Amino acid sequence: EAGVVQSPRYKIIEKKQPVAFWCNPISGHNTLYWYRQNLGQGPELLIRYENEEAVDDSQLPKDRFSAERLKGVDSTLKIQPAELGDSAVYLCASSSPPGNTEAFFGQGTRLTVV
Amino acid sequence: AQSVTQPDIHITVSEGASLELRCNYSYGATPYLFWYVQSPGQGLQLLLKYFSGDTLVQGIKGFEAEFKRSQSSFNLRKPSVHWSDAAEYFCAWGSNYKLTFGKGTLLTVNP
Repeated sequence: EAGVVQSPRYKIIEKKQPVAFWCNPISGHNTLYWYRQNLGQGPELLIRYENEEAVDDSQLPKDRFSAERLKGVDSTLKIQPAELGDSAVYLCASSSPPGNTEAFFGQGTRLTVV
Repeated sequence: AQSVTQPDIHITVSEGASLELRCNYSYGATPYLFWYVQSPGQGLQLLLKYFSGDTLVQGIKGFEAEFKRSQSSFNLRKPSVHWSDAAEYFCAWGSNYKLTFGKGTLLTVNP
C-alpha cells in the first residue's frame, strides 16, 4: 500500500513568488492534514480536512496561505506571495477514521525562500 | 495551554548502550500519546502510541514507552541502540483531532 505522497520534495523560490505543494493521502483516508515544521521545531498544524471540508484552519495564515481538497482526495497548499519566514518543511498527513489522531506522514516538501 | 515538553535537545549514546528519551505533557485528562521518528530528509514515522490500558507499550524497531500519569511522562526506551537509530525523535499528544508535538530530541549514535 502506498503511503502519503507529496511533491515536490524540494523547492527554492524568491520572496514574493507563489508556490504550491501537492499531497495525495493514503487511499481511503478521509482526514488530511497540512503541518509546517520550522527548523529545530516539531510540526505545527496548519489545516485539517474531513473529506473536502476544511474543519480546522485556525492556524492557517489566511492572508497568504490557501488550501483546497476539491474532491476529498488529494490536496494543494499554496503560498502567495512567499516570505523569507515561510522557509520550512511542509508535511502532509492523513488518518482514518475521523477523530483518529494517529496520522501517517509524507516525506514533506522543503521550501527555501531566498 | 496544553503542551508537550522534550527536555533534551540532543543526546549522544554509544552503539549498544541503552537509551531513554524524556517526554512530559501538561493535560488534565488521559491523553493520546505518540512517539515519532524522523530521519534526515524524511517524514515522520510512528514508533508507538498510547491510548489506554497497559501503560507499557511496545513499538517498532525494538522501542517501548511507559505512560506514568503521576509524573505526566511518556518516556521512550530502547535497551540496545543501533547506529541506524540516529535520527530526531518527537513526542506528540493527540487531542481535538490534531497532534501537538514537542520540539524533538536529536539522537547521535557513536560507533
